[in-house]
Amino acid sequence: GQQVMQIPQYQHVQEGEDFTTYCNSSTTLSNIQWYKQRPGGHPVFLIQLVKSGEVKKQKRLTFQFGEAKKNSSLHITATQTTDVGTYFCQTDSGGSNYKLTFGKGTLLTVNP
Amino acid sequence: DAGVIQSPRHEVTEMGQEVTLRCKPISGHNSLFWYRQTMMRGLELLIYFNNNVPIDDSGMPEDRFSAKMPNASFSTLKIQPSEPRDSAVYFCASSSSGTTTQYFGPGTRLTVL
Repeated sequence: GQQVMQIPQYQHVQEGEDFTTYCNSSTTLSNIQWYKQRPGGHPVFLIQLVKSGEVKKQKRLTFQFGEAKKNSSLHITATQTTDVGTYFCQTDSGGSNYKLTFGKGTLLTVNP
Repeated sequence: DAGVIQSPRHEVTEMGQEVTLRCKPISGHNSLFWYRQTMMRGLELLIYFNNNVPIDDSGMPEDRFSAKMPNASFSTLKIQPSEPRDSAVYFCASSSSGTTTQYFGPGTRLTVL
């Protein structure tokens, strides 16, 4: 079955430092979604990547989809305390009966 | 527009009792998902419906769990009998046809004593 590994599991940074989380799949993906979950909250959709090598930006967040469509990354430049939360990737292996799988998430904490 | 609505937001019950969680998806969305989140296991997909029909229930832990979607605007997840290991946050999410973007409800925090 589809395996999704997300690293690191935890990341603690000083405010202003950069942060990156990675999502790796054992199979080629149809697309990948990224979500953010604030402490005590629910996952909120951030972005979807579909094309090989795709790069998308949202203010200080940069999302990349690997050329082989097996990995992805989320990079935050100059973290702020509002970035605190768990970042999840969600992968779709495609097909008529699609299988969505969430990574275990990366918990980001930011020291002000 | 209202997002996904879940009730109750918190539920505390004793082992052996029946628990029913409720979800109202976003109007117009035709896919509905039930997830369970724990520290140990993360976000687990329990079951999903497409046009009110269960498509994949391979994530349902065991026979004690059942889910229904009698119409496009309502779904339930029932646990009978409940056990302490069922304690978790249960999320409902919905999406529209042809998309994989999911919109999550606020969740139900279930505690089974």
